[in-house]
Amino acid sequence: EAGVTQFPSHSVIEKGQTVTLRCDPISGHDNLYWYRRVMGKEIKFLLHFVKESKQDESGMPNNRFLAERTGGTYSTLKVQPAELEDSGVYFCASSQDTGTPNPSYEQYFGPGTRLTVT
Amino acid sequence: AQKITQTQPGMFVQEKEAVTLDCTYDTSDQSYGLFWYKQPSSGEMIFLIYQGSYDEQNATEGRYSLNFQKARKSANLVISASQLGDSAMYFCAMREGRWNFNKFYFGSGTKLNVKP
Repeated sequence: EAGVTQFPSHSVIEKGQTVTLRCDPISGHDNLYWYRRVMGKEIKFLLHFVKESKQDESGMPNNRFLAERTGGTYSTLKVQPAELEDSGVYFCASSQDTGTPNPSYEQYFGPGTRLTVT
Repeated sequence: AQKITQTQPGMFVQEKEAVTLDCTYDTSDQSYGLFWYKQPSSGEMIFLIYQGSYDEQNATEGRYSLNFQKARKSANLVISASQLGDSAMYFCAMREGRWNFNKFYFGSGTKLNVKP
């Protein structure tokens, strides 16, 4: 079974440009998460989709970030216009929804997209 | 305030020795889960071990064990008999509440280097 995939693996753009990151979750996983790690700091939550709906977007830094998950499959995260502080590694993760309280259920992570804004 | 604190940015350990990676957490929830992930240089995040807040026994998975001290709010990862392949970044994470879809809170990670 394929894991979580992310594209591109690296992206270098200039300040003011637009970048779109893509995440393909594990097939059948309704939950999809975006996280970000700025150099040397903790990995921070950005948002959570359940199927195509945004369940929690409390971690989105500002309105320059737009996430979508059309059809409840893959997701995109667009940054427009990019700023220097947006540099970091963007992780996508997915998990099944078992429908029962089960805090032990892990999230499956992709390899991340390293974004560098110059 | 940070919910997960990892105070060791970098650690060195000799091959075949044991090493402890520290993690403290902060939550007022009674139900929560603690996770450790490994991130090798290739970038993927690999799930290692889980400890639930109501679990009375420390979790173990092969060479990994979790030293869970609830009163001190610590969940240290112990790797026994270190191998060169253990060199990686290690992240401690917490999920608050009972539901498996809740978001994770992560620490800043510990970079472990295993010396031959």
